[in-house]
Amino acid sequence: GDSVTQTEGQVALSEEDFLTIHCNYSASGYPTLFWYVQYPGEGPQLLFRASRDKEKGSSRGFEATYDKGTTSFHLRKASVQESDSAVYYCALKSGNYKYVFGAGTRLKVIA
Amino acid sequence: DPKIIQKPKYLVAVTGSEKILICEQYLGHNAMYWYRQSAKKPLEFMFSYSYQKLMDNQTASSRFQPQSSKKNHLDLQITALKPDDSATYFCASSQDQDWGDAEQFFGPGTRLTVL
Repeated sequence: GDSVTQTEGQVALSEEDFLTIHCNYSASGYPTLFWYVQYPGEGPQLLFRASRDKEKGSSRGFEATYDKGTTSFHLRKASVQESDSAVYYCALKSGNYKYVFGAGTRLKVIA
Repeated sequence: DPKIIQKPKYLVAVTGSEKILICEQYLGHNAMYWYRQSAKKPLEFMFSYSYQKLMDNQTASSRFQPQSSKKNHLDLQITALKPDDSATYFCASSQDQDWGDAEQFFGPGTRLTVL
């Protein structure tokens, strides 16, 4: 079945550091890819999505580019803030009525 | 105003009992979902419904039964509860998936603890 792999389980950075969270997927065709963010005590919320090869999604300074060749959708931010501390999930739409999520990456930003 | 309501927020149950988790969405969406989040499986898809019909079921156990009395309701009945069922259960909704790649909106979750 379709799957999503996030390499980093936890990431600890200082404010203004550069962030990369790696996401690789396995699926046929061109699944829509998503990044979600989850703050403590809340449900996940969409950061952005991308549906086509080379399409870039972005929001709140975060961005990721759909790469069909490497089956990747890595999340990046040039300068993180303490308020970015959260859990980040990469996900793909698998068929019409199912989403597959990665294991999540817990980001802690130290002021 | 909250767009997806889940009740209760916290729930404690004893092993072997039965509980119902409530979910109502006020986004006008046609598709609704249940997910489970625990330390073992961070965010696990369980069910999807569209227009009150079951579309996908990834839960092996028949102890988990969704119930849709209205288009904007999708409750989750769990019978014969086990300690392993302890998790946070999230309800989500989206526009029907037959077109486009609609964003899922998640509720705040129900945290279930089975003793």
